[in-house]
Amino acid sequence: AQSVTQLGSHVSVSEGALVLLRCNYSSSVPPYLFWYVQYPNQGLQLLLKYTSAATLVKGINGFEAEFKKSETSFHLTKPSAHMSDAAEYFCAVSDLYAGGTSYGKLTFGQGTILTVHP
Amino acid sequence: DTGVSQNPRHKITKRGQNVTFRCDPISEHNRLYWYRQTLGQGPEFLTYFQNEAQLEKSRLLSDRFSAERPKGSFSTLEIQRTEQGDSAMYLCASLHKSGEVLFGPGTRLTVL
Repeated sequence: AQSVTQLGSHVSVSEGALVLLRCNYSSSVPPYLFWYVQYPNQGLQLLLKYTSAATLVKGINGFEAEFKKSETSFHLTKPSAHMSDAAEYFCAVSDLYAGGTSYGKLTFGQGTILTVHP
Repeated sequence: DTGVSQNPRHKITKRGQNVTFRCDPISEHNRLYWYRQTLGQGPEFLTYFQNEAQLEKSRLLSDRFSAERPKGSFSTLEIQRTEQGDSAMYLCASLHKSGEVLFGPGTRLTVL
């Protein structure tokens, strides 16, 4: 069974400061990993994905994440926070077919609410 | 391609009533998923379809819940005899060939 743990349900940073949102996963097979962002009363928007290619993944809005197999981690970072980054962020893991294609069924973490102060 | 759409966006109902939600996935995506998200939690998988076939159902999907995808295009999720515990955001998603799971805006259900 797969699982995702997001460390810290709330993270607060100042505008311009580094953003670091932590995600650890558990999977019996090589995973696909995702970060999504959710604004209030909206669906989930994909920020970036890891699909067994480059371990450093760049996404939209200046976010990136690094897959570290030895640490079973996929932390999300952004060098300089912007007020518009305030939202809830979810890390998710997906099953893979034996052939390496994503099954698409996602297991999500509990989410981390990011607050950005002026 | 306008993305995954869901209707209605909000639904308020009284306990015991039946409700039905609709999802229109991205047209070329064969796999369609339903998730439920309660306040302060991440989305939880409910069920998925490969074309018109429903291939997996979560234990979260009680007998009061039924989902269909009759022609392999849009899907409906019906909840019978709603309970207050059914209040949640219901999210639909479809799978892109790149492995990306793309979500719709969700339907927020409030059961009074």
